[in-house]
Amino acid sequence: QKEVEQNSGPLSVPEGAIASLNCTYSDRGSQSFFWYRQYSGKSPELIMFIYSNGDKEDGRFTAQLNKASQYVSLLIRDSQPSDSATYLCAVSPGGGADGLTFGKGTHLIIQP
Amino acid sequence: GAVVSQHPSWVICKSGTSVKIECRSLDFQATTMFWYRQFPKQSLMLMATSNEGSKATYEQGVEKDKFLINHASLTLSTLTVTSAHPEDSSFYICSASVYPKTQYFGPGTRLLVL
Repeated sequence: QKEVEQNSGPLSVPEGAIASLNCTYSDRGSQSFFWYRQYSGKSPELIMFIYSNGDKEDGRFTAQLNKASQYVSLLIRDSQPSDSATYLCAVSPGGGADGLTFGKGTHLIIQP
Repeated sequence: GAVVSQHPSWVICKSGTSVKIECRSLDFQATTMFWYRQFPKQSLMLMATSNEGSKATYEQGVEKDKFLINHASLTLSTLTVTSAHPEDSSFYICSASVYPKTQYFGPGTRLLVL
């Protein structure tokens, strides 16, 4: 069974600091990796996706992928109180045309 | 771009009734849409994959006769929960596949079965 593991948290980070979120996955055949942000009571909002080993940066966000270790991470620089949310890691065997397997999410709290 | 809408956003119904939820891609055509379900404090679980013009593919453990999916056009997929019961109360969220490899989610529909 495909599994995606995340530390549920809460992860508390001071405003302005770097928040580091981690995710591991069990299916070695996974090809696409996504980070979504979910505010309480809302649906997930896509932050980033990554397909290749290494780092991918988009504004304050950096996704890191290590397929050999089956590990994905998300770094949030200059954390803001509005970044407080649950961050969901999701993986797919292919791309956007395949259903996603989600982790349970990490609850991030940015302390002002 | 890549806006997905759902209707209704909230629905309360009596046990035994059927509920239809619509998922629309507003500014793009989606050949593939997905239906997920999220129970409180849990993550999203894929229920089924909906392809335009063909039968939906259901995940293991999801009753296809209970959760009817129709994807009649490139911008509309519907999920009908038939003979809903309290245990079907959940947050139902659709997503649409966007070229090349991402999915965007609708705002979700909260279903409460009394």
